This record gives sequence, structure tokens and C-alpha cells, in this order.
Amino acid sequence: RKEVEQDPGPFNVPEGATVAFNCTYSNSASQSFFWYRQDCRKEPKLLMSVYSSGNEDGRFTAQLNRASQYISLLIRDSKLSDSATYLCVVITVPNNAGNMLTFGGGTRLMVKP
Amino acid sequence: NAGVTQTPKFQVLKTGQSMTLQCAQDMNHEYMSWYRQDPGMGLRLIHYSVGAGITDQGEVPNGYNVSRSTTEDFPLRLLSAAPSQTSVYFCASRNPRDGYEKLFFGSGTQLSVL
Repeated sequence: RKEVEQDPGPFNVPEGATVAFNCTYSNSASQSFFWYRQDCRKEPKLLMSVYSSGNEDGRFTAQLNRASQYISLLIRDSKLSDSATYLCVVITVPNNAGNMLTFGGGTRLMVKP
Repeated sequence: NAGVTQTPKFQVLKTGQSMTLQCAQDMNHEYMSWYRQDPGMGLRLIHYSVGAGITDQGEVPNGYNVSRSTTEDFPLRLLSAAPSQTSVYFCASRNPRDGYEKLFFGSGTQLSVL
């Protein structure tokens, strides 16, 4: 089982739709969680952190469910510019300094006019 | 600030050739790392460094070497390229005193090994 799993999609939605992605993680010791956005052939960029109590940034809402070990990303009022791949990133206390980040495979979103 | 600069952006190699992917950052970050990204696999850590003179292996280190002689530079060497190393490579850096919200990626190197 992968440490961090995402539905690869693609999710094809019309403009204005609400869409939600889930990401499950296997290590219950995971401490921090992020959503990154990656445009085609570009580097990943931080979209938002995910806090225990849930958090919102404009049209984007992130939630964490520790009991079921998943995080979610909700996008309201989808825009064409939201078309991208969304990567789930989980940070676990490491046994070394570098290998803390585990990336999911990404979920591709395509917003259609 | 240029941030994290990777060169080249594209490279085609023949099996058995060697090459070096360059990564430089001008933010005085102690942590630097190399990832590879394959379709549907997410980013996987190849090697990382917590400071000049210190490097360690990540999840998929075989076939790659790194060195960190300066804080700014963290080159990734492919010793004898194989088709399995066809991938997109990203370098990243971070100040250990900052959270992961301040992880900076380079723009990537797309490598094809024929």
C-alpha cells in the first residue's frame, strides 16, 4: 500500500462546479499536511496547509480527518484556471532530517467552459 | 532573488552516458534535495543534504550521486544513464528554521534516456 494515495482522476467538471478530492495516508504518526498545485510540466507550488480544525482560503477548503487518516480539498465555484494536478503532501517525523515529505501521485482536475 | 535554479531544462541522453544536473539556490538555505517525478508516482526523494559537506540517501538513490561543497550548489550526477532514469527531476531547498510552507522548488529538468 502506498503511504499517500490519491485518486489520479481526471476530474472533469464544468465552470462553477464544486469539486472535492481526498487523500489517504497510512502512517498514523504523520504530523503535517499540505496541498500543492502543479501545472503541466511545472514545479509544484504550495496551495495551502491543512490544519487540524480545517481551514479555508477563498474558494478552497482543506480538512483533516485523523481518525480515518485522510485529508480533503474542496474547490467551490471552479474556474478554468483551477485546471491542474493537485498533490497531497504528508510530513512524518523522520528518522533522518531529509526524508520527511511523502507526496501523493496527484489528482488531475480539468475545468471545462 | 533567483530562488532555485535548475539546468538544463531538457536533456536527452543515450544509455550509458553520464551527466550532471545542476541546482543552485541564492537564499542561503541549508536543506537541499533532489526528487524525481514519474507519471502517477508523485515526487520521490533521491538524495538530500542538510548542509555543506553533508549528504544522505533518499528513497530512490541508486544510479545517482550528489555532493554539497557549497551551501548554494547541489548537483546530481547520473553515473551511467539508464532508460529507467527517464523522468522529471526537481531540486528543492528550505531553511530548516522555516516550516515546510517555505519549501522552494526549481523549475525542473526533463530527462530522456534512450
